[in-house]
Amino acid sequence: AQTVTQSQPEMSVQEAETVTLSCTYDTSESDYYLFWYKQPPSRQMILVIRQEAYKQQNATENRFSVNFQKAAKSFSLKISDSQLGDAAMYFCAYRSALEYGNKLVFGAGTILRVKS
Amino acid sequence: NAGVTQTPKFQVLKTGQSMTLQCAQDMNHEYMSWYRQDPGMGLRLIHYSVGAGITDQGEVPNGYNVSRSTTEDFPLRLLSAAPSQTSVYFCASSYSVSNTEAFFGQGTRLTVV
Repeated sequence: AQTVTQSQPEMSVQEAETVTLSCTYDTSESDYYLFWYKQPPSRQMILVIRQEAYKQQNATENRFSVNFQKAAKSFSLKISDSQLGDAAMYFCAYRSALEYGNKLVFGAGTILRVKS
Repeated sequence: NAGVTQTPKFQVLKTGQSMTLQCAQDMNHEYMSWYRQDPGMGLRLIHYSVGAGITDQGEVPNGYNVSRSTTEDFPLRLLSAAPSQTSVYFCASSYSVSNTEAFFGQGTRLTVV
């Protein structure tokens, strides 16, 4: 079974600074997808960024980028120019490309606090 | 666009009571699933469905039943509520292509006393 580990329960960043959230995962599969979801206090789950394992290029979405290290099974999220609205819980998630069904495996989450 | 709609948003149950959490999506998604979110544990898969009439167990299925008679609806039934089922429940849906985004409902906060 796959597992996802987020080793940072909480992180803080100053507004306009850069922060990196860590995620490692364990799998024996070679074809899979990785996601970062944001959960603000409203509880809504919002997709931040996704990465296909077969792509070597790191995904980027505006101020959000990932550092995907397939051999190390590492998938960190970098948030540049942090804004107050970035404060939320962030979840790293794994999805197999070989299985049917919407079967995401989540990490425990990292609470991100943004200081003004 | 309604997306994924969950009802109710909040519920308090007494131990032993049964109830159904409703989930509906209007995006014609083949895949639907239920997760529970507990502090320090992230979201864990309870049950999932790959289409109408087809369901299967996830990581934590005990105490829950599901059925999927239509593409749009995927209700989650608690047979006899226990305090250990106090949690936030999320329904999600997606197309069957693996790299597509899973859309989540707003969640249901359930407390069992």
